[in-house]
Amino acid sequence: DADVTQTPRNRITKTGKRIMLECSQTKGHDRMYWYRQDPGLGLRLIYYSFDVKDINKGEISDGYSVSRQAQAKFSLSLESAIPNQTALYFCATSAPSGSGVEQFFGPGTRLTVL
Amino acid sequence: GDSVTQMEGPVTLSEEAFLTINCTYTATGYPSLFWYVQYPGEGLQLLLKATKADDKGSNKGFEATYRKETTSFHLEKGSVQVSDSAVYFCALTRMDSSYKLIFGSGTRLLVRP
Repeated sequence: DADVTQTPRNRITKTGKRIMLECSQTKGHDRMYWYRQDPGLGLRLIYYSFDVKDINKGEISDGYSVSRQAQAKFSLSLESAIPNQTALYFCATSAPSGSGVEQFFGPGTRLTVL
Repeated sequence: GDSVTQMEGPVTLSEEAFLTINCTYTATGYPSLFWYVQYPGEGLQLLLKATKADDKGSNKGFEATYRKETTSFHLEKGSVQVSDSAVYFCALTRMDSSYKLIFGSGTRLLVRP
């Protein structure tokens, strides 16, 4: 079974709709992240969480919110989706801070906003 | 601010050819450097890493050496296979913010039989 899972894998929605993307992990990591991937731009950090009570904005948090329901669950919400939020979204986890710490990524959610 | 620059893709090679994907970075201090790979339809996975100058990361026949004097971390493989077709991302983290991965734009590799 995958260590980091994301649901749904694909979603098509309309402008103005609220949508939630969910992430679960079985790695026992405290740190979790949400990224979006756009063609030619690599991945950019939306939000990150160091534990259940510690949530921080990344470089592109506008238009998004998150919820850390438990150590293993981290959800990303788009309160009112817009077309330029069409992208591939990845959840990731990592162990606590240290040099060269690896992040473990989920399979991604492809979101299309019409 | 910190940044990573990768060569533009796609890179198209024949099987058993030599691969180089260039990566240079801008960062203060001594970042850790990574190569992640994304196979079609999958998430990213760590391919190799190096945490200090002159370190060489290696995995699955791929290698990259942390060159502080040229601020580079080029990915190489002596003989590519069709199964190496994927998108490769160079990335860095800083010691004082090791949670924050800064990615290059990615380089797509296509290996033909």
